[in-house]
Amino acid sequence: GEDVEQSLFLSVREGDSSVINCTYTDSSSTYLYWYKQEPGAGLQLLTYIFSNMDMKQDQRLTVLLNKKDKHLSLRIADTQTGDSAIYFCAESMVNYGQNFVFGPGTRLSVLP
Amino acid sequence: EAQVTQNPRYLITVTGKKLTVTCSQNMNHEYMSWYRQDPGLGLRQIYYSMNVEVTDKGDVPEGYKVSRKEKRNFPLILESPSPNQTSLYFCASRLQGASGELFFGEGSRLTVL
Repeated sequence: GEDVEQSLFLSVREGDSSVINCTYTDSSSTYLYWYKQEPGAGLQLLTYIFSNMDMKQDQRLTVLLNKKDKHLSLRIADTQTGDSAIYFCAESMVNYGQNFVFGPGTRLSVLP
Repeated sequence: EAQVTQNPRYLITVTGKKLTVTCSQNMNHEYMSWYRQDPGLGLRQIYYSMNVEVTDKGDVPEGYKVSRKEKRNFPLILESPSPNQTSLYFCASRLQGASGELFFGEGSRLTVL
């Protein structure tokens, strides 16, 4: 299948901005997603972006999409300890019947 | 309440003893999928189903079976579990269509001794 790649770990100080990066391979992907997994829980959708958009902002979250480089990023402003979680990038792939492919997840640790 | 329900949530079993993890959704979703989550490997797809009686292999289907006889249910069957199937399993569902949010169950932690 297609690969979605992310760095595995990120540490930031409380109050700083966090930037989580993702690269994907399927240029036909129509939607790209960020999911959050808190300890002991399932995944919950944080936000998503349509492939014809460059940016989407939702309160503290900013998603940037560089379609040419197949690069997606999630910026969390004013990161709080409650933001500590694993963040998964995912693509919905037209060529695979809209099947979802997830990255390995980035574990974000927020230090006081 | 819209939800995806998995059972059991926790299970310890022994090698070779057949088991089934059930998954049920109440949102009338066409698409359902099973994933396993292992440290450092993220979520890997086992099987998925675009609709009733339609199932396809994901990235890691070996050792698993699924069925989709009804829209709401998508059980995962381990005919002869082995220790390398010790993992955290997630079921998910969504409406068909590109932007449909994928809803996850709470996970089933399986240990095979």
